Amino acid sequence: QKEVEQDPGPLSVPEGAIVSLNCTYSNSAFQYFMWYRQYSRKGPELLMYTYSSGNKEDGRFTAQVDKSSKYISLFIRDSQPSDSATYLCAMWGGTGANNLFFGTGTRLTVIP
Amino acid sequence: DAGVTQSPTHLIKTRGQQVTLRCSPKSGHDTVSWYQQALGQGPQFIFQYYEEEERQRGNFPDRFSGHQFPNYSSELNVNALLLGDSALYLCASSPYRGRQFFGPGTRLTVL
Repeated sequence: QKEVEQDPGPLSVPEGAIVSLNCTYSNSAFQYFMWYRQYSRKGPELLMYTYSSGNKEDGRFTAQVDKSSKYISLFIRDSQPSDSATYLCAMWGGTGANNLFFGTGTRLTVIP
Repeated sequence: DAGVTQSPTHLIKTRGQQVTLRCSPKSGHDTVSWYQQALGQGPQFIFQYYEEEERQRGNFPDRFSGHQFPNYSSELNVNALLLGDSALYLCASSPYRGRQFFGPGTRLTVL
């Protein structure tokens, strides 16, 4: 079993829709949770960075962490064609070197 | 302020050859981590350098080695290349144990 599971999609939504992206994990030691956006043939770009359980909002993006269920989500409101990319969840335990454990990524297409 | 830079952008090698990839971290960052991203997969951690020492290593063979220089830049070396080494190699910089910011990557093709 992989430490981080993420549905690879692909996911297609119409412009303006609310998008929900999710990851589950098995290691209860994970404390820090991130979402990265990666455009084709580019490096990942950090979108959201959260610690422990709870919600964090930044503009159209909301990250949720439920440590009791080992489940994290990213919501995108009023989705735009420019949001079309692969979204990667990542996490680490908070001790030692911060090597990130990534999901496989979900490929999102927002249709105008 | 320049972000994380990597060179070269693309590289084509043949099996058995050796390759060196380079990374310059974001200003103010002293830690460099390297990841391998195969097509359709998430990045996999190779190793991390801090204070010119390898601090942690992922599940990669000894053919993968690295170095960090006093100016915090870093190199990733891969010896005896295999077809399966074809991937996007990503460098991420951060303050030690801080948020990681990625470079654009080096796309390595092994023929």
